[in-house]
Amino acid sequence: AQKVTQAQTEISVVEKEDVTLDCVYETRDTTYYLFWYKQPPSGELVFLIRRNSFDEQNEISGRYSWNFQKSTSSFNFTITASQVVDSAVYFCALSYKAAGNKLTFGGGTRVLVKP
Amino acid sequence: DSGVTQTPKHLITATGQRVTLRCSPRSGDLSVYWYQQSLDQGLQFLIQYYNGEERAKGNILERFSAQQFPDLHSELNLSSLELGDSALYFCASSVDPQAGGELFFGEGSRLTVL
Repeated sequence: AQKVTQAQTEISVVEKEDVTLDCVYETRDTTYYLFWYKQPPSGELVFLIRRNSFDEQNEISGRYSWNFQKSTSSFNFTITASQVVDSAVYFCALSYKAAGNKLTFGGGTRVLVKP
Repeated sequence: DSGVTQTPKHLITATGQRVTLRCSPRSGDLSVYWYQQSLDQGLQFLIQYYNGEERAKGNILERFSAQQFPDLHSELNLSSLELGDSALYFCASSVDPQAGGELFFGEGSRLTVL
């Protein structure tokens, strides 16, 4: 069965601190996709990044970076120099071809950035 | 703006009632997904449609049903509502369910059952 675990339920930091969100996944499929979504207080789900199982290259986008390690089944997300606007719930998710692309979400990590 | 439109944004109703949530996918997207987000269950997949046909089913109650119409919009029908059905219901769409692409989510319909 597919499963996504986000062990951290809530993280509180002060502005400009770095914060790393952990994501561990389980799947028997060799072809799968990993995602991060952001849910700000307004409630919508905003797509941040997608990674396929054959691409372990880390990615950086502005203050966001992602570390994908198949050996540990992890896809961690780091926000560098956090800002108040980063306060949100962040979800890690997994999909695989056989399931028609539906996403299995982790429980989410609430990030609170204090000024 | 994801391009996915959901109506209504908020809905308050009583136990035992029936409601219909509507979703218009992004232009060109053939696949529609419904998710339920509640405090105790997190984000749960309910059902997926592709070009009018049911493609996958998740933890959807028998009291709930959905369909996708020829114009690709979708409706989620919730009947015999219970207090526990209070949740945020998301619709999402994607181009090709086999491609592993991202899902684009609407802003959600917040249902409150009193």
